[in-house]
Amino acid sequence: QLQLQESGPGLVKPSETLSLTCTVSGGSISSNSHYWGWIRQPPAKGLEWIGSIYYRGNTYYNPSLKSRVTLSVDTSKNQFSLNLSSVTAADTAVYYCARLVVVTATNNWFDPWGQGILVTVSS
Amino acid sequence: QSVLTQPPSVSGAPGQRVTISCTGSSSNIGATYDVHWYQQLPGTAPKLLIYGNSNRPSGVPDRFSGSKSGTSASLAITGLQAEDEADYYCQSYDTSLSGWVFGGGTNLTVL
Repeated sequence: QLQLQESGPGLVKPSETLSLTCTVSGGSISSNSHYWGWIRQPPAKGLEWIGSIYYRGNTYYNPSLKSRVTLSVDTSKNQFSLNLSSVTAADTAVYYCARLVVVTATNNWFDPWGQGILVTVSS
Repeated sequence: QSVLTQPPSVSGAPGQRVTISCTGSSSNIGATYDVHWYQQLPGTAPKLLIYGNSNRPSGVPDRFSGSKSGTSASLAITGLQAEDEADYYCQSYDTSLSGWVFGGGTNLTVL
């Protein structure tokens, strides 16, 4: 059974870079039919897609965050990572990693999800 | 402002049927991109509920069903149970944004 687990600091100072890693277990990150994604949820708010990455390194970013986001993948460790630079209080959220199942170009969904990690931006 | 529009809240009595709408546009749902639904129980991560507009993953009760028409989609829950109290999100892909998008979420209260 595929499982994902987020890890990283729970507190980041304003203007610094938020760095999180997602470890995939129970399956390979090097799958031809899957991408991997990051989604965040500010307190008491809805879900926001941050970006997605393929195991070969192809990346897709939310236009509203593109200038500050970098995704990377380490197939040897079965991990993928998120870097979000120049953070502010508005970046405080629960960050989830998830597998993006791609069946066709028009049919793709996130499943499963990691349990999430709360990252607070504060001095 | 979410690209996909959902009602903020819906409610129903145990045993009743409720529906949650998800309204998009010609750049997402209307562009033939499929709609997927997630259930988020309090304090937990979202869980896939419906994929490909109307398909249920293994383990999801058949009380949950999804449909899509034009630029909108709907999630129906029949035989409401207290355990269905949760937030529900729709998700699709948007060609204008070149990315995946979520609805704002709907909070379901079982009266």
